[in-house]
This record gives sequence, structure tokens and C-alpha cells, in this order.
Amino acid sequence: DVKVTQSSRYLVKRTGEKVFLECVQDMDHENMFWYRQDPGLGLRLIYFSYDVKMKEKGDIPEGYSVSREKKERFSLILESASTNQTSMYLCASSFGFRYSNQPQHFGDGTRLSIL
Amino acid sequence: AQSVAQPEDQVNVAEGNPLTVKCTYSVSGNPYLFWYVQYPNRGLQFLLKYITGDNLVKGSYGFEAEFNKSQTSFHLKKPSALVSDSALYFCAVRASNYGGSQGNLIFGKGTKLSVKP
Repeated sequence: DVKVTQSSRYLVKRTGEKVFLECVQDMDHENMFWYRQDPGLGLRLIYFSYDVKMKEKGDIPEGYSVSREKKERFSLILESASTNQTSMYLCASSFGFRYSNQPQHFGDGTRLSIL
Repeated sequence: AQSVAQPEDQVNVAEGNPLTVKCTYSVSGNPYLFWYVQYPNRGLQFLLKYITGDNLVKGSYGFEAEFNKSQTSFHLKKPSALVSDSALYFCAVRASNYGGSQGNLIFGKGTKLSVKP
């Protein structure tokens, strides 16, 4: 089975802090994704990566950056956390786009609270 | 532009009754369609997918979905609901003829399924 592991299930940080969310997958997937999930808004794509050191902006990249130094690891960075970034963050991975009939696989999420 | 609509925020069903969670989509070309389930404080779990072929797709936990091209729908169904099916369900679509960022999954906003004993 595919395993996508997010480093923290729950995280509490203060306004202005730099926050790192880590995600690791064990299936040698090319693509990795970061979403945030808010009630009534569904899933919104923040950033994704289709290869090491490659990244592309999703629908809501403002206030976030990402890093992918190794194929299995994709980090989401909140440069200066703000209260409106309090949310559930979900990481996902999938095979490359030439296998677009394959699903994305998700981690269990990180519930982040910014005080 | 690609889009997915789940017209019901919540569906309530009695245990043992059949359930349907609705999904309609808009995509250029042939779609790849997916259903996911999310239990409280967990990530999304893949349930089933439609790629091509038989319009009735069977998936995990007794769920199935029916693809209807003329109605651009992909409704999730189960003949007999269980209390343990209570969760949030997401429909997602991807156009089969796109790659790169345009090949990303587009998710609906989710439907909360509540199954009462």
C-alpha cells in the first residue's frame, strides 16, 4: 500500500513564525501536492511538484513556499504565519502525468492552528 | 475550464437503505473520475475510479458509481448503507487529454453523508 506520511497531526504556532510542514511518500511517485481544506471550500491546491527541485503554483500560493530536494519528500513552508492560515493541510502524491488515470494518495493531514 | 459539482452539502440516510451521493462534472474531452472518502481527522482515501469501459464501477467497502456521459454525472451509490459509512465524500475529475498542471485533479466541495441507525 502507498504510504504518505505527514510529520505532525496537530501543530500550534504563533503569528509571524516560520512554519514547516513535512511530507514523505514511499512509492517513488513523481508528483507531490499540498492542499488546504477548509469547511465549505473543499480542497484547494497550494503548490505541487512533478520532479525534484521543480514546483508549480496552485490556486492559492500566496503566503506559502515549498521545497523538494529529494523525490520522496515535499515540504510546505509558511514564511510568516498568519491567523488566516489556520487550516487542515493535506499532502498527496501520485505517479507522473503520463499515468493520469491513477489516483492521488493522501496523508492523514496536519491540523495547524495559528494563534 | 474543468469543474466538479456536488449539489448536496449533506445526505441523510437510514441504515439499511440505499444511498446516492451526486456528482456532475465539466471537462474538455474524456474524463477520468474519482471518488474519495474522508473520515474525521483523517486524509482522503481513494474509493473508486472511472477511466473507460463499463459505466458501472465497483470500489471499496461495497460502493459503486455510475458514469453517465450524456448527463455528465458520476453518482456514488451503495445498496445498503451502514452507520460506519458516515463520512465526507469527495468527487474529483481530470481531463484525460491534458498533462502538466492541467492534468491535476479538480475536487468537488464534498458531501457529508450521515447514516442513522
